[in-house]
Amino acid sequence: ETGVTQTPRHLVMGMTNKKSLKCEQHLGHNAMYWYKQSAKKPLELMFVYSLEERVENNSVPSRFSPECPNSSHLFLHLHTLQPEDSALYLCASSHTTGSGGTDEQYFGPGTRLTVT
Amino acid sequence: AQSVAQPEDQVNVAEGNPLTVKCTYSVSGNPYLFWYVQYPNRGLQFLLKYITGDNLVKGSYGFEAEFNKSQTSFHLKKPSALVSDSALYFCAVRLNYGGATNKLIFGTGTLLAVQP
Repeated sequence: ETGVTQTPRHLVMGMTNKKSLKCEQHLGHNAMYWYKQSAKKPLELMFVYSLEERVENNSVPSRFSPECPNSSHLFLHLHTLQPEDSALYLCASSHTTGSGGTDEQYFGPGTRLTVT
Repeated sequence: AQSVAQPEDQVNVAEGNPLTVKCTYSVSGNPYLFWYVQYPNRGLQFLLKYITGDNLVKGSYGFEAEFNKSQTSFHLKKPSALVSDSALYFCAVRLNYGGATNKLIFGTGTLLAVQP
């Protein structure tokens, strides 16, 4: 176990549905990340939160809405998705730079999302 | 622009033989380099990293990587491959952009297939 959990592991939703992905880390980290992994494409960084503030949004469509209520939890709210949004969504956490921690990110197992 | 490249989509090796998964990078300043492994239906797992110091870095599961500054490479190696090493391997570089988070840029991944 990596100390980063994600729920649900699988999600099938229609284009008009609203759902949320949840990520929780038990590693004492203070930065969290959302990635999208599609087949035969590089891992895409979507959002970065540092100390519960969003510090990066990589031109992600507004149908994806992140929320970071505290340093241990990260959500990705989904609404009116498109079929091309079907992918594996990965959450990761790390220490922030300069905080005395190590550099590597620790990943959760991902949520396999299918949009029908 | 800072980037990382994995020139091989797939590497095939017989069990017991040595393996190499290639990675080259392009960064400004001193690179922070990482290798991650992804097993089917799982998130990415950290294998090893190079920050500074000895050019040969040892990591989990018997893997090691050699940092070569003149060739801007960070190839992943293992002296004797196991069937259980079959997975998707990602090289990553940490961007030195002065931000507070450890933003990583990932390569496209190399599928390692170890035949019994």
